[in-house]
Amino acid sequence: DAGITQSPRHKVTETGTPVTLRCHQTENHRYMYWYRQDPGHGLRLIHYSYGVKDTDKGEVSDGYSVSRSKTEDFLLTLESATSSQTSVYFCAISEKSGFSHTDTQYFGPGTRLTVL
Amino acid sequence: TQLLEQSPQFLSIQEGENLTVYCNSSSVFSSLQWYRQEPGEGPVLLVTVVTGGEVKKLKRLTFQFGDARKDSSLHITAAQPGDTGLYLCAGESISNFGNEKLTFGTGTRLTIIP
Repeated sequence: DAGITQSPRHKVTETGTPVTLRCHQTENHRYMYWYRQDPGHGLRLIHYSYGVKDTDKGEVSDGYSVSRSKTEDFLLTLESATSSQTSVYFCAISEKSGFSHTDTQYFGPGTRLTVL
Repeated sequence: TQLLEQSPQFLSIQEGENLTVYCNSSSVFSSLQWYRQEPGEGPVLLVTVVTGGEVKKLKRLTFQFGDARKDSSLHITAAQPGDTGLYLCAGESISNFGNEKLTFGTGTRLTIIP
C-alpha cells in the first residue's frame, strides 16, 4: 500500500469555523490531490499540487484553499465551514500526472467531515 | 460538463451469480479507469482501458471499453463476497485549458450475499 495518511479521520465542527485537513505521504511523489466524495456525485477534484508551492484549482474549489510547503504534506483548509461542505474528503498522490492513463493515483483512507 | 453515469446505482446478488455494471457518457474519453472502494477506505485502481473495443480480464473480472470510447462495462463471473464494494469508473479527457483531467462516475454499490 502507498504510504498515505490523512488526519483527522473524523471531525465534527460548526458552521463558520475554520477547518484544516492534513494529507501526509512517505512516497516522495510529486503530485497530490484533494477530492470530496458525495452520494450521487462520485469523486470531485477540489485542488491539486504538482510540486512544493505549486497548486491549481479543481472543479469544486470555491470555499477551499490548499498549501504545500513540503513534498510530503498537502493541507486543505475550509476558511469558514458550511453545511454544504459536509462530505468525505480523500487525498491522493501520483508520481506523474494522475489525470493520465500513464500514471496511477493512490488514495488515502479519507476524512469524514460533518459541519453542523 | 462531462458526466459519467453508472448503472445500476445499487446491486445486490447471491454468491456465485454473474453481473454486469455499466459506465456511460455522451463524451469521448482518451482512456477509462475502473476502481473498487471498500468501506472506510479510498478507491483502488483495478484496470485502465485505452483503446476503443479493448477488453481486459482480471481473474473473474472482465472490462470492456466501447468502440466509440464513450462507455465501458465491468462483468464479474461467479461473484464472491470479496467483490463487495463501490465500483467507480473514471474517464480521462482534455480540459478547456489543454491539460488532462479525470472525471469520476457516480458509482455502483455492489453487495454479494453469501
